[in-house]
Parts: sequence; C-alpha cells; structure tokens
Amino acid sequence: KAGVTQTPRYLIKTRGQQVTLSCSPISGHRSVSWYQQTPGQGLQFLFEYFSETQRNKGNFPGRFSGRQFSNSRSEMNVSTLELGDSALYLCASSPIDPEETQYFGPGTRLLVL
Amino acid sequence: GENVEQHPSTLSVQEGDSAVIKCTYSDSASNYFPWYKQELGKGPQLIIDIRSNVGEKKDQRIAVTLNKTAKHFSLHITETQPEDSAVYFCAVSGNTGKLIFGQGTTLQVKP
Repeated sequence: KAGVTQTPRYLIKTRGQQVTLSCSPISGHRSVSWYQQTPGQGLQFLFEYFSETQRNKGNFPGRFSGRQFSNSRSEMNVSTLELGDSALYLCASSPIDPEETQYFGPGTRLLVL
Repeated sequence: GENVEQHPSTLSVQEGDSAVIKCTYSDSASNYFPWYKQELGKGPQLIIDIRSNVGEKKDQRIAVTLNKTAKHFSLHITETQPEDSAVYFCAVSGNTGKLIFGQGTTLQVKP
C-alpha cells in the first residue's frame, strides 16, 4: 500500500497570503489528523477529520481550517499568514479512529516571508 | 491539559550500546503510548506502541515499558547501530485520539 502523501512538499508564501495544503491518506483509512511541527513548540495537534466531519480540534486560531472529502482526502487552509506560521505541517491517517495507529506523511514545509 | 515530558533531549552512545529514553505524562486517562522516529526531511515513523493494558512490548532490538501507576513509559534500544541515529518522539493519547507529543530526543550513535 502506498503511504500517506502530502502536496506540495515545499511552499514559500508572504505574510498576509493564504495557503492550502493537501493530504491523501493510506488507502482504506478514513481518519485524517493534522499536526504542526516547529523547533520551538514541537509537534502540536491541529485537527482531526472523519467522514468529512471535524471530530477534534487543537488550540489554534480560526485562521487554521480544514476539510475532508468523500474519498477521505483532506486539505488544510491557513489564511492571513504570519511569520510564525512557518513550520512543517504533517498529516497522519488511521483506519477509523485516531486512537488506532496513526501513520504520518512526509509533511509540507511552509516558509512565510 | 495533558502534558508529556521527555528526557533526555540529546543522547550520544557508542555503536552496540543500549539507549533509553523516558517520558512522563500527566493525564491518568491516557491509554495509548506510541513512539516515533523522525529522520531528517521525513515525517515521523511509528517504531513501536503500547496500550494501557500491557506493561511491556518488544520488537527485535526495540522495547517499550509502561508504568501506569507512576505515569511514565520508556523506549529501550539495544545493540544500537548508526542507522538508529534520528530524533525520537514519545506520544500519548486518550479517548479523543489526539496525540500529545514529547519534546523529542536526538539520538546519535557513534560508529
């Protein structure tokens, strides 16, 4: 089986812009979670989707949003980018529940200038 | 909220030696404890996990032990090899499935 794929792998944006990141889970997996990784804050949970519904959300401002499609693919959007949004954004998928093993993709490296 | 402390932040060992990384957590409702290995430029890769009804789990050179009373769990790597060099993260989750990660341990295995 192919693993979790994320596109694009690298992205450079300027402050104030918005960005959309994409995640394709492992085939058959229906739960998708998003995490932000920075040197200062480490790995932090953003949100989790299952059957096109957000089931869980972390402590991030409303500028961070996401959605899931009927084929379980997910996107996350960050609006009005700030310098502090520069990070590695990771997507993880699990079969049904995020309590099951979560498998991570390679991430999207976002740089905000 | 849930908090996870991971120690040490860096660990350097000679090839063939053992490495131990420890994590403590605060929420007694946590019931799932995975360990991830992250190499440069890659996403975290699950290497072993344990659930709260098990005290120890082993997979070849890697083992994890869990002490629910003391709220800590540890990763043990025996016979370390240079390819074990990476950043290791512990994590915990409860019923929500949201993973709370430790700060990471950079393991260097010197040949």
